[in-house]
Amino acid sequence: AQSVTQPDIHITVSEGASLELRCNYSYGATPYLFWYVQSPGQGLQLLLKYFSGDTLVQGIKGFEAEFKRSQSSFNLRKPSVHWSDAAEYFCAVGARDMRFGAGTRLTVKP
Amino acid sequence: GAVVSQHPSRVICKSGTSVKIECRSLDFQATTMFWYRQFPKQSLMLMATSNEGSKATYEQGVEKDKFLINHASLTLSTLTVTSAHPEDSSFYICSASEAGFTDTQYFGPGTRLTVL
Repeated sequence: AQSVTQPDIHITVSEGASLELRCNYSYGATPYLFWYVQSPGQGLQLLLKYFSGDTLVQGIKGFEAEFKRSQSSFNLRKPSVHWSDAAEYFCAVGARDMRFGAGTRLTVKP
Repeated sequence: GAVVSQHPSRVICKSGTSVKIECRSLDFQATTMFWYRQFPKQSLMLMATSNEGSKATYEQGVEKDKFLINHASLTLSTLTVTSAHPEDSSFYICSASEAGFTDTQYFGPGTRLTVL
């Protein structure tokens, strides 16, 4: 069965610092992978997705993610974090049968 | 593009009453819509998948008689929580996949249900 693990429940970074949020997946075939962001009390916004092709995926708001099949990982990165990036981030695998990780809460220090 | 709306955004009801939540795809046709439930500080749990014009497919453990889902058109799905109880209080989020592009889900803003 497919599953997603986000090892970090909560991460705090300083504004302007780089960010990496970890995501590991378990999936029988070539996975469809997604990163979503959720602000408090809001729905989910799609940051980026990977289906096939180039393993480095560019998304919105300056985010990128790299698919590493050998490590079953799809980590999200941003070179310089802004205060407005503080939110909950979810990694997900699958398409019609999407499964979400537990989420990583990002706090940005001034 | 790919905007999904939900109505209402918040609802408070008394125990034993029924509540209907609407999910609409505003600028695309959604052959498939999904309903999720999210508990505080937790991830999303898929409740059911609905295809336009057919019965919804419920995930294991979700009571289909309690959570009635109707997907009557390509732009509208509804979730009705019947005989609501306080334990049904939660954040309900819908998503939709565009017809012919079923690989990506677009999410609505969610509905906060509080049952007193």
